[in-house]
Amino acid sequence: EVQLVESGGGLVHPGGSLRLSCAASGFTFSSYWMSWVRQAPGKGLEWVANIKQDGSEKYFVDSVKGRFTISRDNAKNSLYLQMNSLRAEDTAVYYCARDVPGLHYWGQGTLVTVSS
Amino acid sequence: EIVMTQSPATLSVSPGERATLSCRASRSVSSNLAWYQQKPGQAPRLLIYGASTRATGIPARFSGSGSGTEFTLTISSLQSEDFAVYYCQQYNNWPYTFGQGTKLEI
Repeated sequence: EVQLVESGGGLVHPGGSLRLSCAASGFTFSSYWMSWVRQAPGKGLEWVANIKQDGSEKYFVDSVKGRFTISRDNAKNSLYLQMNSLRAEDTAVYYCARDVPGLHYWGQGTLVTVSS
Repeated sequence: EIVMTQSPATLSVSPGERATLSCRASRSVSSNLAWYQQKPGQAPRLLIYGASTRATGIPARFSGSGSGTEFTLTISSLQSEDFAVYYCQQYNNWPYTFGQGTKLEI
């Protein structure tokens, strides 16, 4: 059974940093692109970033470029999102998802709240 | 970035009826289009990818069609568990983009 479990969310002050993790199991993690998607409270879905199987390609939505970094550790079956210079508008539930074609499996999400 | 526009924003239908949801892309995304269902408090679930291929375990009453810029999700006979928010998403170009969602309500 495919499982994706996010962790690392919490309350952070504006300008602060947070690192999200996603633990994958039930499939060959190193064979798939992986994505992060977020959803602000009461709002729609926003794709944030994704990363190729070997980490050689990474793409981001413009609003997080230069602030967020995506990485993976295939030996640990884990995906990461390093979020720096956080803003109030980054407040959302962050989901990791197995990618291409379409986002076939999703975690349950982790809530990030940016507030003073 | 490619803008995805869904219509209508809200669709009121009755169980057993047919529902047709639309999604338009600001420029061609070929067939690189997915549909998701999301219920309150839950993660989204993939329904359709490649514009018309049902994901694993998705009932046959869900079907997708279209290519280029115009896409449709059809639910042939609504069940009570189908009332949710539906999103389309293009994965033809980075950044991937979602539509704003269509809420299917009774």
